[in-house]
Parts: sequence; C-alpha cells; structure tokens
Amino acid sequence: GDSVTQMEGPVTLSEEAFLTINCTYTATGYPSLFWYVQYPGEGLQLLLKATKADDKGSNKGFEATYRKETTSFHLEKGSVQVSDSAVYFCALRYSGNTGKLIFGQGTTLQVKP
Amino acid sequence: SAVISQKPSRDICQRGTSLTIQCQVDSQVTMMFWYRQQPGQSLTLIATANQGSEATYESGFVIDKFPISRPNLTFSTLTVSNMSPEDSSIYLCSVGTEVLGNTIYFGEGSWLTVV
Repeated sequence: GDSVTQMEGPVTLSEEAFLTINCTYTATGYPSLFWYVQYPGEGLQLLLKATKADDKGSNKGFEATYRKETTSFHLEKGSVQVSDSAVYFCALRYSGNTGKLIFGQGTTLQVKP
Repeated sequence: SAVISQKPSRDICQRGTSLTIQCQVDSQVTMMFWYRQQPGQSLTLIATANQGSEATYESGFVIDKFPISRPNLTFSTLTVSNMSPEDSSIYLCSVGTEVLGNTIYFGEGSWLTVV
C-alpha cells in the first residue's frame, strides 16, 4: 500500500545551520506531496506542497522538490532559527482526489541558540 | 485557505464517558475528515464525514465508537464513546474543496485526556 517514510528524529541543530529532513514515498499513480508543521501545543499547519514531478514547493525559507525518479520530497532550509523548532510531517494525497492523506511518522526538529 | 474552529480545544474526561467534538468551517467545503494523533505519534485517518449520509470509516475504526455527523457543508461532529485512557489523543478536523485546490487544511485540534 501507499506509504511515507521520514528520517528518524529528533534532529538537533544550532541556529543558522542547514536543515534537511528526508522523506520518501511509495504510491501508485501520481500523488500530491505536502509538508505540514506542528509547533508545540498547536495543530497542523500546511508548510508547502507540490502537485507534480519536478515541482518545487517553498514557504518561509523552506523548500522541497518533488522527485519522481527517487520518489522523494526532502525538506530543506538554508538557515534555521530557534522558532523553527517543531514536528514536521511529510504526507501524500492520493491522486484519486479522495482527499485522504497518508502521513509519515513525523520528525522532531530542535534548534538551539 | 479555510478557517476551521474546533471545540473543545482541550478536555479532561472520565473513563467510560463520551465526548462530542465540533468542527465549524468558515466556508462550504466538499470534504471533511477526522484524524487522530496519539501521543508522540503520527496522524491516522478515522473517517470521512459525508454530508447527508453515513461517514466512511477506515480500517480499525467503527461507528459505535466514533459516531460522526455532518448535517451541512460547514459543520461536523465526532463523538468519542465510552472513553478509555487509550483514547487520549489529539483529534483533528480537516477539510478540502475544489476551491482550495488539492490542499487539505487542519483545525487546531481537540486535545483529550482520559483519566
């Protein structure tokens, strides 16, 4: 079945370090891919998305490129801040437009000053 | 984007009781879903709330435990019945519509603790 796999956390970085959180997926068809972020004590917020191969989603300095050949959607940021500390979820949505999301297990990011 | 309001935002519940969570959206949406996030875990879809008909449940979730209503295109409720400590979770409402493209938006969640 369809699935999403994220790198194990927690990821601990110093402020201004470069961030990569790996995400790979298994899916039939051509899903859309998403990154959601969950700040401590809050719900989920959409961070960025990509709907087809080679699309790059970007928001708040974060980027991710939909790589069909490697079935990946890695999240990157050039310089993290303490305020980026959160749990990041990679997700895919079935191309059948049911709206159902399949989530990865989440990766906790801790940024230290 | 859509503005999604959930009530209650947090609650502490007694074992064996039931609690109904409300989800209100600021615009008409085609799709509404309910997810569960157990402590330290990822999100799992409970069911799709269908307007005017019975909800569609995912494997492992049943109507007797998680009855869902959706009387119109902007409102839904999820009831967690006969709660046990294992039901302590965040319950999240999410919505999508063609107007929003293929993006699914989430409410702030309802954080339930069962004691």
